[in-house]
Amino acid sequence: NAGVTQTPKFQVLKTGQSMTLQCAQDMNHEYMSWYRQDPGMGLRLIHYSVGAGITDQGEVPNGYNVSRSTTEDFPLRLLSAAPSQTSVYFCASRRGRTGYGYTFGSGTRLTVV
Amino acid sequence: GQQLNQSPQSMFIQEGEDVSMNCTSSSIFNTWLWYKQDPGEGPVLLIALYKAGELTSNGRLTAQFGITRKDSFLNISASIPSDVGIYFCAGLFGGNNRKLIWGLGTSLAVNP
Repeated sequence: NAGVTQTPKFQVLKTGQSMTLQCAQDMNHEYMSWYRQDPGMGLRLIHYSVGAGITDQGEVPNGYNVSRSTTEDFPLRLLSAAPSQTSVYFCASRRGRTGYGYTFGSGTRLTVV
Repeated sequence: GQQLNQSPQSMFIQEGEDVSMNCTSSSIFNTWLWYKQDPGEGPVLLIALYKAGELTSNGRLTAQFGITRKDSFLNISASIPSDVGIYFCAGLFGGNNRKLIWGLGTSLAVNP
């Protein structure tokens, strides 16, 4: 099993550009989440999903969109990149209500110039 | 929003020493989780705690769910160089089991 796969690993964007960060898991996990990690800020939840077709906002959702058309995939879209979105982005998944331990991907390092 | 207070923020120790770090909250948590993040990687779950007073070990790591349900600690015995990384605590707050609340992490450096 691959676990949680994130692509790309690195990305540089110009301000105003849009892009999609891909996330796929092969563990049939119901819950998936997107976090961003910034120095001194820990992990902050952007969006999450408790199943296909269901998404909700986390604590820092502005500037990001998500969709969950399948159990496996949970892409994160940056609509118009801003320098403040320079960060490391992590996708994570877990089994469901009783599967509290999230499995994380290896991250996407995004720089917006 | 809800936060966990994790301390210390960073530690620099000699190989072989024991390490202790903790997380506290003003609110009651139902579940405590401890993660480790290696440089350039995503966090990896080390230990999960589900009951107040629970003491769980994973090799040289031991974690406890505080009796008050407002705190948890992680101990690492006989540290080795590969223990280097950032350790995060995370907790489930109240009745919401959809989102985790995270501490800001403890950065551990080990001098061989």
